Amino acid sequence: GENVEQHPSTLSVQEGDSAVIKCTYSDSASNYFPWYKQELGKRPQLIIDIRSNVGEKKDQRIAVTLNKTAKHFSLHITETQPEDSAVYFCAASEDDMRFGAGTRLTVKP
Amino acid sequence: DSGVTQTPKHLITATGQRVTLRCSPRSGDLSVYWYQQSLDQGLQFLIQYYNGEERAKGNILERFSAQQFPDLHSELNLSSLELGDSALYFCASSVAPDRGHGYTFGSGTRLTVV
Repeated sequence: GENVEQHPSTLSVQEGDSAVIKCTYSDSASNYFPWYKQELGKRPQLIIDIRSNVGEKKDQRIAVTLNKTAKHFSLHITETQPEDSAVYFCAASEDDMRFGAGTRLTVKP
Repeated sequence: DSGVTQTPKHLITATGQRVTLRCSPRSGDLSVYWYQQSLDQGLQFLIQYYNGEERAKGNILERFSAQQFPDLHSELNLSSLELGDSALYFCASSVAPDRGHGYTFGSGTRLTVV
C-alpha cells in the first residue's frame, strides 16, 4: 500500500513568515494529493488539493507543488497568521487515502 | 456542519467491553472510511466501504469490525476493548473511492477506555 512521509513533525514560525511542509509518497500510481488542516479537538478539513496533471496550485496564501518524478509534494503558506496554527496532514490517494503523520505548525504573534 | 454525522460524540467504557460507533455519510456520498487518531498521533486508516461492500482494509485489529448498510450509514464495532484503544475515531465520506475525490470528515467519536 501507499506510504506517505511528512516533514517536519513540528514547525514554529513568526507571524508574517512563510511555512513549508514536505511530503513524499511511495506509490507512483497515486494521482491525488490533498492537504488537511486539523485544529485542536476538531475534524480534519480539506484546505487544498492537487492532481497529478498539475504541477502547482495556489489559493490565496496557500500553494501546493507536486513533483511526480521525485514523488514529493509540498505545502507553502505565505504571510502566516496565528490562526494558521494547527496540525497539517498531507495525503496521497490510491483506492484509499493514506495520510502523513502530520506537522504541528505554530505561528507566533 | 460537514454533513457527515458521527454518534456518539463521546464514549467512556471499561476494558473488555464492546462498543459501536455510528456514521452517516454526507448526502450523495457512497464511500465511507474509518480512521483512528490516538493522542497527538496521525490518522490511521482502518477500513473503507463503497456502496455496502468492503473496499480496502488498513491496520484494523481483528477485535474491530465494520459494515455499511443499505442506507449507506456505517458502524464500527470495537470489542474486547483495551486501554490502548482510547482514541478519536473519525469517519469520512466521499462520492466514490476512485482517485481524485476529497474526503469530508465527521466530528469524530472520542472513545475513552478505563
